[in-house]
Order: sequence, then C-alpha cells, then structure tokens
Amino acid sequence: SQQGEEDPQALSIQEGENATMNCSYKTSINNLQWYRQNSGRGLVHLILIRSNEREKHSGRLRVTLDTSKKSSSLLITASRAADTASYFCATVLNTGGFKTIFGAGTRLFVKA
Amino acid sequence: EPEVTQTPSHQVTQMGQEVILRCVPISNHLYFYWYRQILGQKVEFLVSFYNNEISEKSEIFDDQFSVERPDGSNFTLKIRSTKLEDSAMYFCASSEGQGPSELFFGEGSRLTVL
Repeated sequence: SQQGEEDPQALSIQEGENATMNCSYKTSINNLQWYRQNSGRGLVHLILIRSNEREKHSGRLRVTLDTSKKSSSLLITASRAADTASYFCATVLNTGGFKTIFGAGTRLFVKA
Repeated sequence: EPEVTQTPSHQVTQMGQEVILRCVPISNHLYFYWYRQILGQKVEFLVSFYNNEISEKSEIFDDQFSVERPDGSNFTLKIRSTKLEDSAMYFCASSEGQGPSELFFGEGSRLTVL
C-alpha cells in the first residue's frame, strides 16, 4: 500500500462547519506537508509540519502530527464554499535522492 | 509572485508520436520535478532533477521518458512513442532546497493521446 493515505476519500459539509481530513504514512519522516488542488489545477502548498512538532496553525488551518501513530490530520475551521478542493498529504522519501510522495487525497465539497 | 509556468496547457497527439512538455521553474530554485496525474487519480512522482542530472526517478519513468534542462531556464519532459495510457496531466514543480522542501507546482499540461 501507499506511503500516504488520506481518509475519508470524500467529504461533503455545509459552509461554516469544520472539515477534518486524516493521513497515515508508513516510513519515518522529516516532515509532512499538506497541499490543496482545485479541480484541474496545480497543487498549492498549504502547510508543513516537522517531525518534532505536534501541532501547527495557519489561519483557518490546523495540522496535527502523531509520529508514534504515523498519522496527521488537517482541520479546516469555519469552511467556505471556496474551500471546495482536493487535499493531499505528502511525505518525503529519502532513498538516495529525495522524492515527495502524495497520498490519494480527500475530495472536500463545501455546500453554500 | 514568482511562479512555475508550463506549456502547452493542452496537447493532443497521435499514439506513437513524441511529445515535449516544457516548464519554466522559479528562477532561484535548484530542484525540479515532474509528476503525473491520470484523471481522477493520485499525483504520481516521475522524476527529480538537480545539478543537471536525475537525482531520483520512479518505476514509471522508464526509457520512454527523458528530462533535460537545455538552457538554464527551461526544464523539459520528453515522452517518446506515446501510448494511450500516457494520457494524463503532467505537473512540473520546483523547490529551493533539497529533500523536505515546499514544492511549487505549475498549472499542468494536459496530454491526450489518441
């Protein structure tokens, strides 16, 4: 199975509600990143959390990291219709070179 | 704000033809990447490139694919003898540093192989 796996695969909420997405990974990491992708567009970096951090905030985003469980969560508070997108966690594998591997993503739909 | 630019935005080609996708990374970035996303599926790593050579590649990146930085600004992905299953969005990305650095993505090139 894959290095980064998000759940749920899809999430539909009402505007104003909070959205929580989870990511699990397999190998040890230096950091974990979350990205957003609007339909048909490029990925945009949202936030990076280092392995020695447990929680990080950026605006309406809150990311947690539990290295003992090899999991992370992304919380979007007070969601807006404009938050509708796919959200991916990403980890970096060090296999001689470096490659950033993305999970399958969570598709978030925020209803106005 | 600096950005990664990709051309063409959409290319349609016949099976068996060669395709070159072009990218202009952010100017002070040193590390360059290509990713592929088949419609509705995950973003798959293809290759990373640093100091004019490939630093890492995936099993997808076989002899059909090659990358080049011909002139110090462009970063190209060449796909030889395209197959139907090469139809996908191809994303270029760049980063300032190696390893666990933030990636900056272009808007992608959609390749359709008929």
